[in-house]
Amino acid sequence: EVQLVESGGGLIQPGGSLRLSCAASGFAVSNNYMSWVRQAPGKGLEWVALIYSGGSTYYTDSVKGRFTISRDDSKNTLYLQMSSLRAEDTAVYYCAKGGYTPMHRTPHFGMDVWGQGTTVTVSS
Amino acid sequence: DIQLTQSPSFLSASIGDRVTITCRASQGISSYLVWYQQKPGKAPQLLIYAASTLQSGVPSRFSGSGSGTEFTLTISSLQPEDFATYYCQQGNTYPLTFGGGTKVEIK
Repeated sequence: EVQLVESGGGLIQPGGSLRLSCAASGFAVSNNYMSWVRQAPGKGLEWVALIYSGGSTYYTDSVKGRFTISRDDSKNTLYLQMSSLRAEDTAVYYCAKGGYTPMHRTPHFGMDVWGQGTTVTVSS
Repeated sequence: DIQLTQSPSFLSASIGDRVTITCRASQGISSYLVWYQQKPGKAPQLLIYAASTLQSGVPSRFSGSGSGTEFTLTISSLQPEDFATYYCQQGNTYPLTFGGGTKVEIK
């Protein structure tokens, strides 16, 4: 079964750091492009970061220089290292697998497998 | 950044109704448009990618259309399990962006 399980969320003071993990099963993160998406309480979805199978990374502007997306292929796990956390980073953080068209395996940039989410609360 | 504007933001409908949600992009995004359904406390679920391709396992009452800057999601006959919030997302340009969402509630 294809599955993603996030962990590492919690209550953290402003300015602090936290690392989120996303353990994958049923597929290899190394062969896929993976994203982190967050959702502030009562708000919509916001894409945060993406890593390609080749290792290239992309970020939304508000987290550039503060967040780092990475993966450990031996553990089949995706990470989001977050530093200099702000109140506005408070959200449920989801990891998600990027989808491909079935015939040519071309990325379509939709996310077809999601984890259950982990909650990050930045507050003093 | 590409802005996605969904309309309406809230929709009240009855079982069996045909429902249409619109997503407008601030600039052309070809067909790199995706639709999701999200229920309270749950992760989003992919419904449609490439503007009009139904994700495997999604009921055929869902359909998508459009290209360039205007896109629609249609539910041909609303079912009880379809009451949820729907989001569009573009994959044409970084940063990837989502629409503000459309909440579909029971009339």
